[in-house]
Amino acid sequence: AQSVTQLDSQVPVFEEAPVELRCNYSSSVSVYLFWYVQYPNQGLQLLLKYLSGSTLVESINGFEAEFNKSQTSFHLRKPSVHISDTAEYFCAVRTGGFKTIFGAGTRLFVKA
Amino acid sequence: DAGVTQSPTHLIKTRGQHVTLRCSPISGHKSVSWYQQVLGQGPQFIFQYYEKEERGRGNFPDRFSARQFPNYSSELNVNALLLGDSALYLCASSLGGGGGETQYFGPGTRLLVL
Repeated sequence: AQSVTQLDSQVPVFEEAPVELRCNYSSSVSVYLFWYVQYPNQGLQLLLKYLSGSTLVESINGFEAEFNKSQTSFHLRKPSVHISDTAEYFCAVRTGGFKTIFGAGTRLFVKA
Repeated sequence: DAGVTQSPTHLIKTRGQHVTLRCSPISGHKSVSWYQQVLGQGPQFIFQYYEKEERGRGNFPDRFSARQFPNYSSELNVNALLLGDSALYLCASSLGGGGGETQYFGPGTRLLVL
């Protein structure tokens, strides 16, 4: 069975500082990996995903994540955060089937 | 184009009652999934429907059921409500049902069971 562990429940960071949100997964088969963002009182929005190919994937708003198969990790990074990045971030894993497994989430709090 | 829509936005029920939640997918999407998100946790997979057939079920009791209609909209039904069913219920749609498909989430229905 698959599982996802987000190692930090909360990450406070100052504006314009870099940030890394950590995600580890376990699976006995090949997986697809996703990062979603959830703003207060809203549904989830896809930030980026890894399906195959280049292990580094990027989003349009400056986030990137690197798939590391040997360490079974898919950490999310941004070199310089903004106040508007304050939100809950969820890492998720999916195999070829229909079930998506989400982590417990990491609350990113960007301080001025 | 409209995104995924869900109704109602909020709902208050008492223990033992029944509830029906509704979801309309993005036009052209044939797959709908349902998730339960308890406060402070990540979404938990409940069901996926593709082309009106159930294709996946999570670890939820038989009190939870769903269906998908010919226009690809979907309903989630929960019988004999318990306090622990209080949560945000999210619907997501995708073009197909494959593992790499992007899922688009609705804003959710917040259910409170008293």
